[in-house]
Amino acid sequence: DGGITQSPKYLFRKEGQNVTLSCEQNLNHDAMYWYRQDPGQGLRLIYYSQIVNDFQKGDIAEGYSVSREKKESFPLTVTSAQKNPTAFYLCASSPSGADLTYEQYFGPGTRLTVT
Amino acid sequence: KNQVEQSPQSLIILEGKNCTLQCNYTVSPFSNLRWYKQDTGRGPVSLTIMTFSENTKSNGRYTATLDADTKQSSLHITASQLSDSASYICVVRLLTGGGNKLTFGTGTQLKVEL
Repeated sequence: DGGITQSPKYLFRKEGQNVTLSCEQNLNHDAMYWYRQDPGQGLRLIYYSQIVNDFQKGDIAEGYSVSREKKESFPLTVTSAQKNPTAFYLCASSPSGADLTYEQYFGPGTRLTVT
Repeated sequence: KNQVEQSPQSLIILEGKNCTLQCNYTVSPFSNLRWYKQDTGRGPVSLTIMTFSENTKSNGRYTATLDADTKQSSLHITASQLSDSASYICVVRLLTGGGNKLTFGTGTQLKVEL
């Protein structure tokens, strides 16, 4: 898990409520990412940020929002517009989003259950 | 369409035995290929990363191979241990494009038994 923390580990919400997942890193990495993992599927990119105050949509951004006000923090909000929010959410970081050889370091994940 | 396919989907082996996991990809243009280990309920941890010019890389009991011509990779685990029980994910990165251009396989679920 390195220097990436995600909280909480388990999160339960009622349908129709927005919920924010926390991701913090102390690795001094420029780039941060949010992925979603569902059973039987590969990780899918939700949003990524290569630098503070800038972020880009990934492959499945609909129903999600992010902010990057500080280098070490990249919170993800799952809105009520997300049709199927129950999943395992993983945050990752890398020294640079542009360098092709840098690997991504993943946090421990947050399992969100919406009923 | 850029895809990464892994086989087998799941595997059960006895402790001490060797095993090989396969990864085929159609991602192009190719930059590098990574293998990650993911324990249940945890985030993935990197095992190896290989560029197109590398055809083998080891990390302890883990040895990854890459054939960029056939677009195939394998992960060989030697003398398996109970702690090797996990999902092993093959990830391929595109050469072009900004930000994150990773394509993830669905993983091979390995269980090592006594």
